[in-house]
Amino acid sequence: DGGITQSPKYLFRKEGQNVTLSCEQNLNHDAMYWYRQDPGQGLRLIYYSQIVNDFQKGDIAEGYSVSREKKESFPLTVTSAQKNPTAFYLCASSIDEGYYGYTFGSGTRLTVV
Amino acid sequence: QKEVEQNSGPLSVPEGAIASLNCTYSDRGSQSFFWYRQYSGKSPELIMFIYSNGDKEDGRFTAQLNKASQYVSLLIRDSQPSDSATYLCSYSSASKIIFGSGTRLSIRP
Repeated sequence: DGGITQSPKYLFRKEGQNVTLSCEQNLNHDAMYWYRQDPGQGLRLIYYSQIVNDFQKGDIAEGYSVSREKKESFPLTVTSAQKNPTAFYLCASSIDEGYYGYTFGSGTRLTVV
Repeated sequence: QKEVEQNSGPLSVPEGAIASLNCTYSDRGSQSFFWYRQYSGKSPELIMFIYSNGDKEDGRFTAQLNKASQYVSLLIRDSQPSDSATYLCSYSSASKIIFGSGTRLSIRP
């Protein structure tokens, strides 16, 4: 079945550590996105990529980095520069840059310990 | 001004009644609009997509779009306990989707 796989489902980070969240899709979608969701709030865009080897910053890119070396994969690294990383992270993909909507992965819940 | 305005709720509706969720947006250039349903602790799920003025019906769900008023709504008929969730209003803009903060809907037996 086609879909988006995010891993891990839960992740714990110590202060000062970098962590990488995985996002893989087998939908043959060109565009991929990372959003962050805090309790009781909407989704805020971190980074997005419309094509391999190219990506753009979203509204809250500071403290995060991404790569897009393969069409299927769009990993997100939460660096130690991100001071408040505890949140629910959602990866999404789209065949048409969002015109018909996104398909979301199941999310990764990151907690700082 | 927020790009997408929604009442955060909670909106409490009796089982079997019609739930009405409303949303306004700021970008007049938006072409397509979405309603996502999000259960607690889960990722959003697309339930309705609309791009032209008027109504679009899919089962118990009806989306309504008025571009002149920059207004989108979602009606849920015959509300069921399984409809209890947060509903995110959103629209596409410049190759990405902008989301509202969501309306929490609670269906009471």
